[in-house]
Amino acid sequence: KAGVTQTPRYLIKTRGQQVTLSCSPISGHRSVSWYQQTPGQGLQFLFEYFSETQRNKGNFPGRFSGRQFSNSRSEMNVSTLELGDSALYLCASSPGLRSYNEQFFGPGTRLTVL
Amino acid sequence: AQSVTQPDIHITVSEGASLELRCNYSYGATPCLFWYVQSPGQGLQLLLKYFSGDTLVQGIKGFEAEFKRSQSSFNLRKPSVHWSDAAEYFCAVGGSNQGGKLIFGQGTELSVKP
Repeated sequence: KAGVTQTPRYLIKTRGQQVTLSCSPISGHRSVSWYQQTPGQGLQFLFEYFSETQRNKGNFPGRFSGRQFSNSRSEMNVSTLELGDSALYLCASSPGLRSYNEQFFGPGTRLTVL
Repeated sequence: AQSVTQPDIHITVSEGASLELRCNYSYGATPCLFWYVQSPGQGLQLLLKYFSGDTLVQGIKGFEAEFKRSQSSFNLRKPSVHWSDAAEYFCAVGGSNQGGKLIFGQGTELSVKP
């Protein structure tokens, strides 16, 4: 099976812009979670989607949003970018209802905000 | 509050020496515990997981971890380290009421001396 794929791998944006990141889970996986990784804050949970519904949400401002499509692919959007949004954004997929059982991570999207 | 602590930010061991990475957690219910490894510029790879049962769990690449409820610990061990084990290691906790949300420690960077 192909692993979790994330596109693009690298992005450079300027403050105030918005950005959309994409994640394709492992075939058959219905849960997709997003994490932000920075040197200062480490790995922080953004949100989780299961069957097109947001099931869980972390402590991030409303500028961070996401969605999941019927084929389980997910996108996250960050509006009005700030310098502090520069990070590695990781997507993880999981088979089903008990998504905590095992999460498979993609390679991440490296976002740089100038 | 739920949290994970990895007391060692950076560890250096000689190739062939044994390794133990420490992880302490704070979690209200029975935790699900994970160790992930991240190589530079890569996503996270699951090494092993603990949900219930035998408190000594075996993982990939020769790693093992022991769950000690009385000490709220889940330390990762390897009897003989290889140069290719140099990477960053993350301990994480999740639970059945957390869906796909994992709480990560700050990570331990492992360097291996030849």
